[in-house]
Amino acid sequence: NAGVTQTPKFQVLKTGQSMTLQCAQDMNHEYMSWYRQDPGMGLRLIHYSVGAGITDQGEVPNGYNVSRSTTEDFPLRLLSAAPSQTSVYFCASSNEWYEQFFGPGTRLTVL
Amino acid sequence: ELKVEQNPLFLSMQEGKNYTIYCNYSTTSDRLYWYRQDPGKSLESLFVLLSNGAVKQEGRLMASLDTKARLSTLHITAAVHDLSATYFCAVLTMGRRALTFGSGTRLQVQP
Repeated sequence: NAGVTQTPKFQVLKTGQSMTLQCAQDMNHEYMSWYRQDPGMGLRLIHYSVGAGITDQGEVPNGYNVSRSTTEDFPLRLLSAAPSQTSVYFCASSNEWYEQFFGPGTRLTVL
Repeated sequence: ELKVEQNPLFLSMQEGKNYTIYCNYSTTSDRLYWYRQDPGKSLESLFVLLSNGAVKQEGRLMASLDTKARLSTLHITAAVHDLSATYFCAVLTMGRRALTFGSGTRLQVQP
């Protein structure tokens, strides 16, 4: 049971490039979410999903897209990276008892 | 809009001393979470508080919840250096099963 996994661990992009941050969980959780963490701040919700095929925006969705074609996977796409998207990104899933499980994070730098 | 405020944001304390971190939130929620984060790491779950008056203890940490006051506290007893980390409280939005985080309290325990 791997829990929540994220790839890559680190990524450097140039402004304007696109990329996908991968998130997968093997616990059969319906609820998944993406957060970003900036220095000196708590995590902020980007997008979330309540099940396969259903996604919605969180607090800071601009510049990001998500899709949820399977229960296991919840990728986050940066369409045209900007320096303001330099951050650490965490994926999480939630079980029926509202426990939250966080992935190890992806550290993204946009130059 | 749900807001979560923590204070203090930074706390330097000596080993053996006691202190309390406060977490206020703006709207009703059924669940409050406390997490610990070490530098460069993901979030480690400490406590989940489910109801008014809930109190949970683990080692030198004790968390409590007052839903009427919309206040949770994390009390540190006889601090040791190993407790140095950043502590976050977070409140659940039920429909999303996603969290709104406070800004975090960076705790530094001096020998």
